[in-house]
Amino acid sequence: NAGVTQTPKFQVLKTGQSMTLQCAQDMNHNSMYWYRQDPGMGLRLIYYSASEGTTDKGEVPNGYNVSRLNKREFSLRLESAAPSQTSVYFCASSSDGLYTEAFFGQGTRLTVV
Amino acid sequence: GIQVEQSPPDLILQEGANSTLRCNFSDSVNNLQWFHQNPWGQLINLFYIPSGTKQNGRLSATTVATERYSLLYISSSQTTDSGVYFCAVEWNRGSTLGRLYFGRGTQLTVWP
Repeated sequence: NAGVTQTPKFQVLKTGQSMTLQCAQDMNHNSMYWYRQDPGMGLRLIYYSASEGTTDKGEVPNGYNVSRLNKREFSLRLESAAPSQTSVYFCASSSDGLYTEAFFGQGTRLTVV
Repeated sequence: GIQVEQSPPDLILQEGANSTLRCNFSDSVNNLQWFHQNPWGQLINLFYIPSGTKQNGRLSATTVATERYSLLYISSSQTTDSGVYFCAVEWNRGSTLGRLYFGRGTQLTVWP
């Protein structure tokens, strides 16, 4: 039982390049989330998806897009990477959002130079 | 939004010592979780504890939702307990179901 799987684990981009972070969960969860973690801070929500086919903005959505491809997969895309997007990105999922436990992937460490 | 404050920000212990980490939050919550971020950056679920007390081995947690705080107890600490401990809450006035608001964490270092 893999839980929440993210790829890649590490990535270095040049300013202006694009990339997609992949996330998949095998727990049959409806809700999925993308967070970012910056040094000395807790995690902040970028985007979330309450169910297949729906997405919504979180606290820090600028510069990102998302796709809920199916119930299992939720991807995060950086169209034109900026140094301010250097961070550790975490994908999470939970059963129905409210009153349920969230589980996190192992994180993607992204550096934009 | 809701404010989540953790204390202390840093904690250094000798192996075998006990410790208490605190999480205060400023409004009502549906859910509270404790996580351990290990030195490799992984977030490990410790407790899902919106109220009451739970124990798992050397770790236990108590949440008093009416008084807006939670405590994480670590007994007989080991070097493998080192890392950052995060408290995260689901605000019940939040617009995003299931969104977690994180504190800044407590950095724990356990020396042999």
